[in-house]
Amino acid sequence: EPEVTQTPSHQVTQMGQEVILRCVPISNHLYFYWYRQILGQKVEFLVSFYNNEISEKSEIFDDQFSVERPDGSNFTLKIRSTKLEDSAMYFCASRTSGSTDTQYFGPGTRLTVL
Amino acid sequence: QKEVEQNSGPLSVPEGAIASLNCTYSDRVSQSFFWYRQYSGKSPELIMSIYSNGDKEDGRFTAQLNKASQYVSLLIRDSQPSDSATYLCAVNIGSGFGNQFYFGTGTSLTVIP
Repeated sequence: EPEVTQTPSHQVTQMGQEVILRCVPISNHLYFYWYRQILGQKVEFLVSFYNNEISEKSEIFDDQFSVERPDGSNFTLKIRSTKLEDSAMYFCASRTSGSTDTQYFGPGTRLTVL
Repeated sequence: QKEVEQNSGPLSVPEGAIASLNCTYSDRVSQSFFWYRQYSGKSPELIMSIYSNGDKEDGRFTAQLNKASQYVSLLIRDSQPSDSATYLCAVNIGSGFGNQFYFGTGTSLTVIP
């Protein structure tokens, strides 16, 4: 069964450093998403991406964040200058087009900012 | 403020009982509703989606949607210890199939053997 994959599973970085989190969505999916979940808190929507552009973004997704689909398979989230409060689990999700909007989540990347 | 509210629990039920999980949402135009299960340290796993008022059954799970009351629930029949997890309600905010999904804080369920 196809699944969303994410790398790395755990990323440790120093405050102020740039990080890139990588995702490979399910191959026939067209909509891509990033979420984050701070430990013990709820899953928070960051951004959705379709047709090579951002379709929606939340207030959390400020100028420090960017997303890219650099090739036909990868979908990346970049945080330019990490802050301590960026420490969280980051989930990628994807879905097909059509009459259903069910999203399938990847296993997540745990980001720790020191 | 677009919000999704859930009772945080924890909810404990004995094995074999029915577990009832509730969720309310604030945006009247929302059209798509989801229940996810999340084990500790893992990603959300889809249990069920529901789009129309009424009940939708899938095995031991039944989702109920009442758009007039802005309320969606999940019933788990014959609860098993393996059902012990946090259950997340998610709502696609906006009309049609838009792209902003909001999650509740989750309800922690423990099924006692």
